[in-house]
Amino acid sequence: SQQGEEDPQALSIQEGENATMNCSYKTSINNLQWYRQNSGRGLVHLILIRSNEREKHSGRLRVTLDTSKKSSSLLITASRAADTASYFCATFTGNQFYFGTGTSLTVIP
Amino acid sequence: GAGVSQSPRYKVAKRGQDVALRCDPISGHVSLFWYQQALGQGPEFLTYFQNEAQLDKSGLPSDRFFAERPEGSVSTLKIQRTQQEDSAVYLCASSLPQGMNTEAFFGQGTRLTVV
Repeated sequence: SQQGEEDPQALSIQEGENATMNCSYKTSINNLQWYRQNSGRGLVHLILIRSNEREKHSGRLRVTLDTSKKSSSLLITASRAADTASYFCATFTGNQFYFGTGTSLTVIP
Repeated sequence: GAGVSQSPRYKVAKRGQDVALRCDPISGHVSLFWYQQALGQGPEFLTYFQNEAQLDKSGLPSDRFFAERPEGSVSTLKIQRTQQEDSAVYLCASSLPQGMNTEAFFGQGTRLTVV
């Protein structure tokens, strides 16, 4: 079963707007990672945030981590049509990555 | 190669047929994972290898599923007597040892359709 949950399940915004998606998880972690998946494709790694970090930036991406609430958020600023994809958070526990159910983002040109 | 390569990209199997899915990880990556992704869902863990050792197969849904990585590089996921519920995308990922806080690199996946 999946460990995490993304919220919202689906998000539709206009190009240029910001998109925020959230992830909650259940167990203690060493790190949390965000992935993007275009329809019919594999997952592409976006960013990794360690458990002792609270915020991390990469280009138009900003990730926050609150280990006390077991939650993370991914912010995509100045969205583009090419950002349309599903976004998953993943935590690593034991021998496996646990993925949430994903947020489907649609950016309307 | 530059990334994780999976073959075939698409496979249509008749119910009851055996299939073999191949994964070529990134050279030097010790860890290799197989995941199953149903339509509209997140990836679900199947099995994990560290080099040639299969350290975790707790996610394999039945004894019809079998994975191997005999030389610690290429891995094959075999599904015997396929059923319709096996239809999914099968994703392979490789990484350096996870204790290094490292990312996993995923292949494009094999989309299996059982008819």
